[in-house]
Amino acid sequence: KNEVEQSPQNLTAQEGEFITINCSYSVGISALHWLQQHPGGGIVSLFMLSSGKKKHGRLIATINIQEKHSSLHITASHPRDSAVYICAVRLVGGGADGLTFGKGTHLIIQP
Amino acid sequence: DGGITQSPKYLFRKEGQNVTLSCEQNLNHDAMYWYRQDPGQGLRLIYYSQIVNDFQKGDIAEGYSVSREKKESFPLTVTSAQKNPTAFYLCASSIVPGGGVGYTFGSGTRLTVV
Repeated sequence: KNEVEQSPQNLTAQEGEFITINCSYSVGISALHWLQQHPGGGIVSLFMLSSGKKKHGRLIATINIQEKHSSLHITASHPRDSAVYICAVRLVGGGADGLTFGKGTHLIIQP
Repeated sequence: DGGITQSPKYLFRKEGQNVTLSCEQNLNHDAMYWYRQDPGQGLRLIYYSQIVNDFQKGDIAEGYSVSREKKESFPLTVTSAQKNPTAFYLCASSIVPGGGVGYTFGSGTRLTVV
């Protein structure tokens, strides 16, 4: 099965810093999701991308289909952004079994 | 507001007992999924269902069972045959099978077997 690699695994930064989380995958995909998991465990979908770039508030997600790479950026980071960020992909021609997930990036923003 | 409700949030069971985790959605989604999350690992698929009265095994189905008698409900039973059941369990649903669009997660159930 396709492997989804995220980097870094862990990231600690100071409030206000610009944050970048990377995701790379090895085969063709039809869509890529960025998800946010807070300490309580529930997961929220941030973006679904198939090409280009999307922006929501301080969050920006980009994808380069040719390079099989996506990045999630957080501008003016804040302690409330502390969470695990998960990249997940929908394979081209994939079946009904849903998404393939990365292991997540654990982000801590210190005040 | 529409969403997925998982209950309970925390569950403790003795070794050897079966336990059923609840997942209910009011999004009118056809597809539903159960995932298991362990520390340092990505979400792994246990079972999925594309439609009522149909479900398929995922990557780690051994020791688990499901039913899909109603569109809204997809309960997961962790049986005594599951060798390492302590984990965080997430339910999800999507508008269409495969999760390309409208993928929604529940808040999870943390199961501890003692």
